[in-house]
Amino acid sequence: LAKTTQPISMDSYEGQEVNITCSHNNIATNDYITWYQQFPSQGPRFIIQGYKTKVTNEVASLFIPADRKSSTLSLPRVSLSDTAVYYCSPHQGGKLIFGQGTELSVKP
Amino acid sequence: KAGVTQTPRYLIKTRGQQVTLSCSPISGHRSVSWYQQTPGQGLQFLFEYFSETQRNKGNFPGRFSGRQFSNSRSEMNVSTLELGDSALYLCASRPTDSLVGELFFGEGSRLTVL
Repeated sequence: LAKTTQPISMDSYEGQEVNITCSHNNIATNDYITWYQQFPSQGPRFIIQGYKTKVTNEVASLFIPADRKSSTLSLPRVSLSDTAVYYCSPHQGGKLIFGQGTELSVKP
Repeated sequence: KAGVTQTPRYLIKTRGQQVTLSCSPISGHRSVSWYQQTPGQGLQFLFEYFSETQRNKGNFPGRFSGRQFSNSRSEMNVSTLELGDSALYLCASRPTDSLVGELFFGEGSRLTVL
């Protein structure tokens, strides 16, 4: 199973773009990459999912290079409410493997 | 549409006891997964059920078990509780057992073992 490595923490200011990169060197061919956001005492919430290249939705973009050994979550113009822990997870189906996550702190 | 509902939200048990946690998935969702979250180990996969069959299992001892009913509701049981079982137990559901698709998580059941 693919293990993940992410920065433990990141700081940003309101209105900035934030990029969080996750390394998953031994990702399997059938694995998709999904990012989740978690607030304290709540369950994780889905942000975005992709297999390769670039995926964009209304809240984020996900960049996956051709070798798929890493992925970058891009959050445009963050706000204070984006302060949370962000997890990347290579997975197949319902079995997600979470790393330690990245604690993002957005300051005014 | 109602979200994933987990009960109870909080509970306190003592070592050696057993506990049963319940999860009601989103209506129409047939896959239910369970996760354990602790400060030390983070989020760890316990097991996944689809149509009453266990599809995947994580690396937890046999004291951790689960089941899914015909209405897709799921329960997990932990027997002979240990202090280290204190954690937030999260349930997640999704419509199918396909390789893709998001998981919808509940707010969790926080178990404290004394």
